[in-house]
Amino acid sequence: DSGVVQSPRHIIKEKGGRSVLTCIPISGHSNVVWYQQTLGKELKFLIQHYEKVERDKGFLPSRFSVQQFDDYHSEMNMSALELEDSAMYFCASSLTNQAPLFGEGTRLSVL
Amino acid sequence: QQQVRQSPQSLTVWEGETAILNCSYENSAFDYFPWYQQFPGEGPALLISILSVSDKKEDGRFTIFFNKREKKLSLHIADSQPGDSATYFCAASAPGGYKVVFGSGTRLLVSP
Repeated sequence: DSGVVQSPRHIIKEKGGRSVLTCIPISGHSNVVWYQQTLGKELKFLIQHYEKVERDKGFLPSRFSVQQFDDYHSEMNMSALELEDSAMYFCASSLTNQAPLFGEGTRLSVL
Repeated sequence: QQQVRQSPQSLTVWEGETAILNCSYENSAFDYFPWYQQFPGEGPALLISILSVSDKKEDGRFTIFFNKREKKLSLHIADSQPGDSATYFCAASAPGGYKVVFGSGTRLLVSP
């Protein structure tokens, strides 16, 4: 399968804990974007990297950081988790001027 | 501010009817408009897209109608099926850009 791969698919953490979400984009896609979605509602834009450089930041909490590596995969480091961080986190990748293609998402549950 | 607006928030149609989902935008620089379909528990999937040089794009039962002057577009789903029940997102991007702006989605329910 050559789609966007996210891991883990589901993770449960305690309030105040830490977590790392990983995104492997489609081969050759250097544009990687993260979104948060709660209860199947709107896609909240978190952050975008292009060619390993942060291009735009949206609603990414300061407790979270995102990095894109040489092979274009991306990791979201989440710390001091709060109950309201419980959501689906989607990663999408694309080439310039193309529609982003989404992964299956990671479901984060903070208890 | 909401650069891409969708209406209605939710829509129910009977099986076999045509569902019409609306989208409007503010930024005149937007020239590419993809639509996504999302089923519960899954990631949004690219369904169909249109460039602003066209006023219509068809793919099977799915058709986008685009009005550049009014900055509006709509997705028509002909002969709607229960399997079409999903949330549909309209999105937009500008030339040379790598950022896609999403609307807040329309939840479609097709009743048998």
